[in-house]
Amino acid sequence: EVQLVESGGGLVQPGGSLRLSCAASGFTFSDHYMDWVRQPPGKGLEWVGLTRNKAYSYTTEYAASVKGRFTISRDESKNSLYLQMNSLKTEDTAVYYCSRADCSGGTCYGMDVWGQGTTVTVSS
Amino acid sequence: QAVLTQPSSLSASPGASASLTCTLRSGINVGTYRIYWFQQKPGSPPQYLLRYKSDSDKQQGSGVPSRFSGSKDASANAGILLISGLQSEDEADYYCMIWHSSTWVFGGGTKLTVL
Repeated sequence: EVQLVESGGGLVQPGGSLRLSCAASGFTFSDHYMDWVRQPPGKGLEWVGLTRNKAYSYTTEYAASVKGRFTISRDESKNSLYLQMNSLKTEDTAVYYCSRADCSGGTCYGMDVWGQGTTVTVSS
Repeated sequence: QAVLTQPSSLSASPGASASLTCTLRSGINVGTYRIYWFQQKPGSPPQYLLRYKSDSDKQQGSGVPSRFSGSKDASANAGILLISGLQSEDEADYYCMIWHSSTWVFGGGTKLTVL
């Protein structure tokens, strides 16, 4: 069974840092792009960023709102995805979802599997 | 102007069909994009429904009923999610998404009420 399990959320003060993790299982992790998507309370979905697969050297892309503050990484030996969040702002408060991109035949598309999410609250 | 615009809400009756639109900003041609659709119920993560670019370039998500289908209205520069034979369990928020300028962009979402 394909599964994504996020962890690491919590309460942090503005300006602080937090690292989220996403444990993947049930598929060949290195074959897939992986994304982080967030959802502020009562609002819609916002893409945070992605890391490409091994074939594309695990390169990354970020939303303008987090570029320079957030860093996405992955550990293939642990089948894990990470989101390092620095210089956190109150507007970063959200549920953070880890998601897998649908990759087949050398082409990757949008997200087809999502984790349950982890909540990050930035408040003093 | 937002890249993707969705009506905030839509109501329809059980058994009827609902057409959810995702309008692309002027200057962004819907014909060149794959439109992705997700369903989200309260307290749950989004679930992938389908993607649609053309009748020859489309995909249904795993386990997604065929009464969910995608299309485009070129004259309106919009992607469309059609849900036929509405059921009470279809009541949810629906989001569209495209890959634009090296980023994924979501629409603001449509809350579908089945009553």
